[in-house]
Amino acid sequence: EAQVTQNPRYLITVTGKKLTVTCSQNMNHEYMSWYRQDPGLGLRQIYYSMNVEVTDKGDVPEGYKVSRKEKRNFPLILESPSPNQTSLYFCASSLFKSTGSIEQFFGPGTRLTVL
Amino acid sequence: GDSVTQMEGPVTLSEEAFLTINCTYTATGYPSLFWYVQYPGEGLQLLLKATKADDKGSNKGFEATYRKETTSFHLEKGSVQVSDSAVYFCAIAGGGSYIPTFGRGTSLIVHP
Repeated sequence: EAQVTQNPRYLITVTGKKLTVTCSQNMNHEYMSWYRQDPGLGLRQIYYSMNVEVTDKGDVPEGYKVSRKEKRNFPLILESPSPNQTSLYFCASSLFKSTGSIEQFFGPGTRLTVL
Repeated sequence: GDSVTQMEGPVTLSEEAFLTINCTYTATGYPSLFWYVQYPGEGLQLLLKATKADDKGSNKGFEATYRKETTSFHLEKGSVQVSDSAVYFCAIAGGGSYIPTFGRGTSLIVHP
């Protein structure tokens, strides 16, 4: 079954304690991205990756890091989390079609609370 | 850059009512247009899409038509059900940028 998995699904942590949210896809997609979802703000892209070892900033990259060492994995790293990073995070994996269309597949989300 | 504007919610309807959620966009080139749905506690799922002007995407009774002249992609359903209660996101991709751009989402609440 084609899917995007994220772990953990729920996380409560304290300010300054480094954490990693993992994301994995089994569709051999080249493009992956991370979003955060906040009330009234919709989805905002944090980082994206066009391929292995190719990453770039999205709209709200401050306070986050990513890596893309393998095609299937795209972890999101918070080196020193702060309360304003309390949010719902989604990983997405995308297929670009020859027609120019794009289809995104989303993970189930990770709800992060930083105290 | 590309942008998507969709009507603010929440939209509150009674069961079997007609639904319209407006979505307009700005983009360079010819983007593909999407509607995603997010049910409570879940991630986003693709609901429907259209890849060129005048295309109509449809799924689960929902429809949206790619209107290039008005740069719009309004979501409609003739008769909503309680199970349609969710947040709906309009999105574009593949116009000026391959990076998808999302609207802020519209919450739909359907009462029995």
